[in-house]
Amino acid sequence: KAGVTQTPRYLIKTRGQQVTLSCSPISGHRSVSWYQQTPGQGLQFLFEYFSETQRNKGNFPGRFSGRQFSNSRSEMNVSTLELGDSALYLCASSIRAGDTEAFFGQGTRLTVV
Amino acid sequence: QQQVKQSPQSLIVQKGGIPIINCAYENTAFDYFPWYQQFPGKGPALLIAIRPDVSEKKEGRFTISFNKSAKQFSLHIMDSQPGDSATYFCAASGGEYGNKLVFGAGTILRVKS
Repeated sequence: KAGVTQTPRYLIKTRGQQVTLSCSPISGHRSVSWYQQTPGQGLQFLFEYFSETQRNKGNFPGRFSGRQFSNSRSEMNVSTLELGDSALYLCASSIRAGDTEAFFGQGTRLTVV
Repeated sequence: QQQVKQSPQSLIVQKGGIPIINCAYENTAFDYFPWYQQFPGKGPALLIAIRPDVSEKKEGRFTISFNKSAKQFSLHIMDSQPGDSATYFCAASGGEYGNKLVFGAGTILRVKS
């Protein structure tokens, strides 16, 4: 059974640009959550999607957005990139909304220069 | 306010030793407490999790001890091996957080052979 797949694995972007990251959950999982991991702030929740609807949102600026498609795949977008957005972005999938057991992908390493 | 406090920040043990990592939480509404293991370049992997209705849970060499009155829980790794060298994160969810995971800062474990 394939795990959570995140693409791309690595990205280098320039300040001011925007970026889109993709996440395919485990087959049969319908809930996708996104987390940001940095050395300074640790793992922080960004948002959760289920049935193409955002169910929960963390304390991040509006430059961070996401969406989920009918096949449960999810994308997150960061606009007007700042140096501080450099981080490992992790996607986690769960079987259903409200399910606490979450399985993470390998992440996308974003570097903003 | 840090909702989940994890200690120690780093830990070195000899092969066969029993490293213990501790976490304390503030929010009594939390009702799910997982531990994740993360290797460099990988996403966090779910190791073991516990709910407040039990005081201990064991899976293989990993044991969670839970003290509801003290609002503390800990991870014990029996017969530790060099392959257990990784970063370990505790987390909590529940209450107003729903299934959003609130993570501790992480513990870097090194098992010396």
